[in-house]
Amino acid sequence: AQTVTQSQPEMSVQEAETVTLSCTYDTSESDYYLFWYKQPPSRQMILVIRQEAYKQQNATENRFSVNFQKAAKSFSLKISDSQLGDAAMYFCAYRSAPGTYKYIFGTGTRLKVLA
Amino acid sequence: EAQVTQNPRYLITVTGKKLTVTCSQNMNHEYMSWYRQDPGLGLRQIYYSMNVEVTDKGDVPEGYKVSRKEKRNFPLILESPSPNQTSLYFCASSFEGAGAKLIRPQHFGDGTRLSIL
Repeated sequence: AQTVTQSQPEMSVQEAETVTLSCTYDTSESDYYLFWYKQPPSRQMILVIRQEAYKQQNATENRFSVNFQKAAKSFSLKISDSQLGDAAMYFCAYRSAPGTYKYIFGTGTRLKVLA
Repeated sequence: EAQVTQNPRYLITVTGKKLTVTCSQNMNHEYMSWYRQDPGLGLRQIYYSMNVEVTDKGDVPEGYKVSRKEKRNFPLILESPSPNQTSLYFCASSFEGAGAKLIRPQHFGDGTRLSIL
């Protein structure tokens, strides 16, 4: 069975600085998808970024980028130029290739942004 | 506006009193799913549905039922709620076209805070 591990329950970063949230996963599959979701205090679940395992290039969305290391089964999220609005819980999630329908989420990392 | 709507947003009830949390999406998505979120455990999938009349268990299905009679609706039923089902519940949906290579990201509802006394 697949597992997703977020080993940092809480992280802090100074405003305008860069922070990296870690996520590791375990799977025997070769085709899968990885996601980072943000959950602000409003409780909404907001997609931050996604990565297809068959793509070698790391995904980037504005200030958010990932470091996807397939062999190491690592999927870290880098937030550059951190803003107060980035403060939230961040969840890493795994889904197998099309045709399978289960999602596996990590336990989350709470990010605090210090002014 | 594309959205996933859950009702109620908050509910306090007592052990054993049957309840239903409704979920409706207006995006014609095939895939719908229910999660529960508990502190320190993240989100755990309860049930999911690949299309009308097709459902399957996630990782924590015990004590829950679902049905998918219409494409837009996916209610979560607690036949005899117990205190250990006190949690924050999310419904989500996504496009899942036949033979699609790409997984489309899930759209989430705003959550239902359920307290069972």
